[in-house]
Amino acid sequence: KAGVTQTPRYLIKTRGQQVTLSCSPISGHRSVSWYQQTPGQGLQFLFEYFSETQRNKGNFPGRFSGRQFSNSRSEMNVSTLELGDSALYLCASRAPGQGTGYTFGSGTRLTVV
Amino acid sequence: SQKIEQNSEALNIQEGKTATLTCNYTNYSPAYLQWYRQDPGRGPVFLLLIRENEKEKRKERLKVTFDTTLKQSLFHITASQPADSATYLCALTRYGQNFVFGPGTRLSVLP
Repeated sequence: KAGVTQTPRYLIKTRGQQVTLSCSPISGHRSVSWYQQTPGQGLQFLFEYFSETQRNKGNFPGRFSGRQFSNSRSEMNVSTLELGDSALYLCASRAPGQGTGYTFGSGTRLTVV
Repeated sequence: SQKIEQNSEALNIQEGKTATLTCNYTNYSPAYLQWYRQDPGRGPVFLLLIRENEKEKRKERLKVTFDTTLKQSLFHITASQPADSATYLCALTRYGQNFVFGPGTRLSVLP
């Protein structure tokens, strides 16, 4: 079965712009989480969506937002980009039930110049 | 706040030896702990999960232990191969909460 698909794979944006990243989870997975990964901070949790509702939120400013659609696809948006937003953004989905592992996508590499 | 540490940033071992990676945590009582492998430029790949009431889990050449008293998990790769070279991440969570990842250990298996 298809894995988690993230688009685009690479993005270059200018400070002050906004960006939207897309994630298609594995079929049947209703939980989608987003993480930011940087060399200095590692994997930092952004938010989790389940059945179109935000279930958990990390400690990121309001410039970072997300949503989930009825088909479980998810998007995250970053407005007013800053240089420090340059990172690998990873989306992960999980099967229903407790104790299941994430399946991650390959990520979107965002560079802010 | 919770803190997760992984023994070292990098670990070099000789092919055929057993690699042992450590994950220590504080200010947290996880319901379960997971280990992931990450290759450069790729997303992490789920390897093993162990619950708080389990002491040990095995999968092929991989073994994970979980000591909630010591607040520590050990991850072993036996008969290591150069293809095992990657960054290994531990992740902890409680039911209904998000996963918290450690900083990772970069393992290099030398031929």
